[in-house]
Amino acid sequence: QKEVEQNSGPLSVPEGAIASLNCTYSDRGSQSFFWYRQYSGKSPELIMSIYSNGDKEDGRFTAQLNKASQYVSLLIRDSQPSDSATYLCAVIGIQGAQKLVFGQGTRLTINP
Amino acid sequence: SQTIHQWPATLVQPVGSPLSLECTVEGTSNPNLYWYRQAAGRGLQLLFYSVGIGQISSEVPQNLSASRPQDRQFILSSKKLLLSDSGFYLCASSRDRLYGYTFGSGTRLTVV
Repeated sequence: QKEVEQNSGPLSVPEGAIASLNCTYSDRGSQSFFWYRQYSGKSPELIMSIYSNGDKEDGRFTAQLNKASQYVSLLIRDSQPSDSATYLCAVIGIQGAQKLVFGQGTRLTINP
Repeated sequence: SQTIHQWPATLVQPVGSPLSLECTVEGTSNPNLYWYRQAAGRGLQLLFYSVGIGQISSEVPQNLSASRPQDRQFILSSKKLLLSDSGFYLCASSRDRLYGYTFGSGTRLTVV
């Protein structure tokens, strides 16, 4: 079982709609959860972090965490073509060195 | 905030040649440092991490090695490159588990 799993996509969403990205993780002791956006040929950039159960909103982005189900999601409202990218879910467990484990990423395309 | 410098941005090397990629960090002290590799169309694979000067942990057996000669300098090396070493190499830094990682701009290595 992979430590962090995402649907690789591609996921196509019309402009202005809500894009929903999902992620599950295997380490029940995981404490910190992140979403990164990666444009083609570029390095990942952090867009959201979440540490406790529930929702966290930042502009058009909402991260959702359910530790009981070991599930993290990212919602993008009012999707724009500039949101087209690969979205990486990442998790830090309870062990030392703060190792960040990434999922394979979901490729998102916003269609004008 | 942290800034990570990586160079070169692009590198084409013949099989059997040596490799040295350097990463330096600004804006923080005593960070945890990481080397990741991303093969084409794949997720990020953690190669090495370091919690301090001279302290290196390897995540996967491979043809590469890492060193940390100074607090904010992290070097990835190989004595003889293989075709399978091709990929996008990313250096990352973290302060603690609450802030995720900051990534450098990466080095795209092609072994021919």
